Amino acid sequence: QVHVVESGGGVVQPGKSLRLSCAASGFIFSKYDMHWVRQTPGKGLEWVGVIGFDGENKYYGDSMKGRVTISRDNSKNTVYLQMDSLRADDTAVYYCARDDYGSGTHSPWGQGTLVTVSS
Amino acid sequence: SYELAQPPSVSVSPGQTASIPCSGESLTKQYVYWYQQKAGQAPVVVIYKDSERPSGIPERFSGSSSGTTVTLTISGVQAEDEADYYCQSADYSGTFWVFGGGTRLTVL
Repeated sequence: QVHVVESGGGVVQPGKSLRLSCAASGFIFSKYDMHWVRQTPGKGLEWVGVIGFDGENKYYGDSMKGRVTISRDNSKNTVYLQMDSLRADDTAVYYCARDDYGSGTHSPWGQGTLVTVSS
Repeated sequence: SYELAQPPSVSVSPGQTASIPCSGESLTKQYVYWYQQKAGQAPVVVIYKDSERPSGIPERFSGSSSGTTVTLTISGVQAEDEADYYCQSADYSGTFWVFGGGTRLTVL
């Protein structure tokens, strides 16, 4: 059964960095692109970025471009989100999700990990 | 930046039908996923590939597509369906994900 678990969130000061992890199981991780999505308090869902199945291609949304880097370790079935120069408006729940467009299927999201940027 | 358009709110009485539209230029080429999100919980897929329903999702949830608009329909709405609903698709290249702003379904 497909399962993803995000971790690494917490309280961080403005301007600092934080790395989130997403551990996947129940599918062949190395065959799927993986996305990060965030949800600010009381707001909607916002796409953060995607990493290709082999880690070669990475694309980012406008909101965090230049301040985030997505990476993955297929030997550990884990994808990472490195966030730098964090701002108060980066406070959000961060989710990782499998890209199912190529397979035409669907998969569950994890519970997310909360990042609070505050002094 | 490219976004999908959804109404911010829809209200229906129990037993009635709720329809939530989602529009965007890329929807003629890319599939739409619909997510239900209840307070304090992660989003859950209720429809994928425009009109497919995952196992475990009640039959009253259905999806349809026409041109640049896709619609989530909930027939015979129940109180437990009260939630936020988001449509999600991709840009023309299939690289970037894009979300609608979300629709809050209120069951009167």
